[in-house]
Amino acid sequence: KAGVTQTPRYLIKTRGQQVTLSCSPISGHRSVSWYQQTPGQGLQFLFEYFSETQRNKGNFPGRFSGRQFSNSRSEMNVSTLELGDSALYLCASSLASGRATEAFFGQGTRLTVV
Amino acid sequence: GESVGLHLPTLSVQEGDNSIINCAYSNSASDYFIWYKQESGKGPQFIIDIRSNMDKRQGQRVTVLLNKTVKHLSLQIAATQPGDSAVYFCAENGDNQGGKLIFGQGTELSVKP
Repeated sequence: KAGVTQTPRYLIKTRGQQVTLSCSPISGHRSVSWYQQTPGQGLQFLFEYFSETQRNKGNFPGRFSGRQFSNSRSEMNVSTLELGDSALYLCASSLASGRATEAFFGQGTRLTVV
Repeated sequence: GESVGLHLPTLSVQEGDNSIINCAYSNSASDYFIWYKQESGKGPQFIIDIRSNMDKRQGQRVTVLLNKTVKHLSLQIAATQPGDSAVYFCAENGDNQGGKLIFGQGTELSVKP
């Protein structure tokens, strides 16, 4: 059974640009959550999607957005990139929303903003 | 590899010893707790979970203890091995939070052979 797949693994962008990250959940999982991981702030929740609907949102500016497709694959977008957006972006999938039961994480996308 | 925390608390143990990693959680309404292990270059990996109606749960070589009175969680690893070296995070989740996990800062465990 394939795990959570995130693409790309590494990305370098320039300030002001926008970026789209992709996450393919485990087959059969319908909930996808996104997290930002930095040395200073640790792991912080961005948002959660279930059945193509955003169920939950963390305290991030509107530059951070996401969506989920009918096949449960999810993308997140960051517009007008800032240096502080450099981080490891992690995606987690679970069977259902309502309970974070055994959320499985991908390996993440390492975003560097220069 | 990934740098998951330049200023994390660290715990250094000898191979074969038992390890205890502690975590204070923030929300008294949280009722589901999980421990994750994160190795360099990888995403967090589920280790064990516990619900608030329990105070202890055991897995293979790991035990999680929950003290709701003081909002404290601990992970005990028996007979620690070099492969256990990683950063360990506790995470909490509560009713009406959906899949949102609130993570602790993490503890870096270093196992000396």
